[in-house]
Amino acid sequence: DIQVTQSPSTLSASVGDRVTITCRASQSLTNRLAWYQQKPGKAPKLLIYKASILESGVPSRFSGSGSGTEFTLTITNLQPDDFATYFCQQYNALWTFGQGTKVEIK
Amino acid sequence: QVQLVESGGGVVQPGGSLRLSCRTSGFTFSDYGMHWVRQTPGKGLQWIAFLRFDETNKYYANSVKGRFTISRDKFRNTLYLQMNSLRPEDTAVYFCARQHGDYYFDSWGQGTLVAVSS
Repeated sequence: DIQVTQSPSTLSASVGDRVTITCRASQSLTNRLAWYQQKPGKAPKLLIYKASILESGVPSRFSGSGSGTEFTLTITNLQPDDFATYFCQQYNALWTFGQGTKVEIK
Repeated sequence: QVQLVESGGGVVQPGGSLRLSCRTSGFTFSDYGMHWVRQTPGKGLQWIAFLRFDETNKYYANSVKGRFTISRDKFRNTLYLQMNSLRPEDTAVYFCARQHGDYYFDSWGQGTLVAVSS
């Protein structure tokens, strides 16, 4: 099974900050990695797929990069609506999620 | 618009059974592979089952293999998860999700809570 390690587990930031979340896979995913945002009591929402492609309707302050085993999600100019939990997901071999990163207000 | 609505969750004793449903609308259900994913505070998101659009392939996580069965009714546009021999560690919010052709999940339901407790 492919393991996905996401860090950090919690991140404190302020409005306007630039934040970066990392996912590392136990084997190469090529670019088969997605990022989701989840708010309390809600379903996850797709942000990015194929490591770097923004889902339609997602603000351009979100970006993804990486390939192989190391990937990052970057949020520039953090907005109040962005305080949430973020998950990565590999879909190269079955499906595995990272443990999640909670972005909280500093 | 695409909608997925889960139902069927509740409280059940260890060893018991439950069937979850995921009613879909806003898209051609028979064109999409579908998944069940669960979420617990301790273990985060865990993928548990997949059913191909034409039902020719099913996959399960090891933790539920042999106990859970995924199925679909194309006439009712509904996905199901039959859960047998339930254990306390199956307690979670269960989501259904639609698979994009490239295998990531592009739509999710709002979830239904399953609690396994005596």
